Amino acid sequence: ETGVTQTPRHLVMGMTNKKSLKCEQHLGHNAMYWYKQSAKKPLELMFVYNFKEQTENNSVPSRFSPECPNSSHLFLHLHTLQPEDSALYLCASSIRRGTTSTDTQYFGPGTRLTVL
Amino acid sequence: KQEVTQIPAALSVPEGENLVLNCSFTDSAIYNLQWFRQDPGKGLTSLLLIQSSQREQTSGRLNASLDKSSGRSTLYIAASQPGDSATYLCAAMDSSYKLIFGSGTRLLVRP
Repeated sequence: ETGVTQTPRHLVMGMTNKKSLKCEQHLGHNAMYWYKQSAKKPLELMFVYNFKEQTENNSVPSRFSPECPNSSHLFLHLHTLQPEDSALYLCASSIRRGTTSTDTQYFGPGTRLTVL
Repeated sequence: KQEVTQIPAALSVPEGENLVLNCSFTDSAIYNLQWFRQDPGKGLTSLLLIQSSQREQTSGRLNASLDKSSGRSTLYIAASQPGDSATYLCAAMDSSYKLIFGSGTRLLVRP
């Protein structure tokens, strides 16, 4: 399989549940990203990982916990979410050259999350 | 703080028309400007990337221009087709290498 894949594609969870979103890229990239896309709001960057190290946490609440075990896999662990966390969560990857990352990002299809 | 605005928010045109989508950004210190396409419920597909030193990029019926000094980019779609119907997003890469997205233009091309 090529490109960036995300599972599950749809997820419904209660506020007390714990779930995880998975992202896998088959492009040989070394930078991975989590974005949140809410209704009627621009896409928001959540986390950035470069060479498996987290380099950006865009003031995301601690109920979202990312994990990057290797440069091909990225997880987003969810616990005690709120209804306002319902959104499309998109993963992306790109090539990072040294300290810069100006190449285009390739996006997965997203996980549609609904928090009841 | 970089802010990206896209106008119009929605656009409906008959098939065959040429059209222009607009994107503006507040901080001219960008590394590049990217245009993406998003189909309903799907991820983003990169269309064009214009480096800060470039003025425009072309791919098939798409042409994107960049004017850093005025903080503007346009995406020109020639001879539009129903298959072009989607949401088009522009994103500016800021000085921290973060992509800042606009809210998008929802395009409908009517047969």
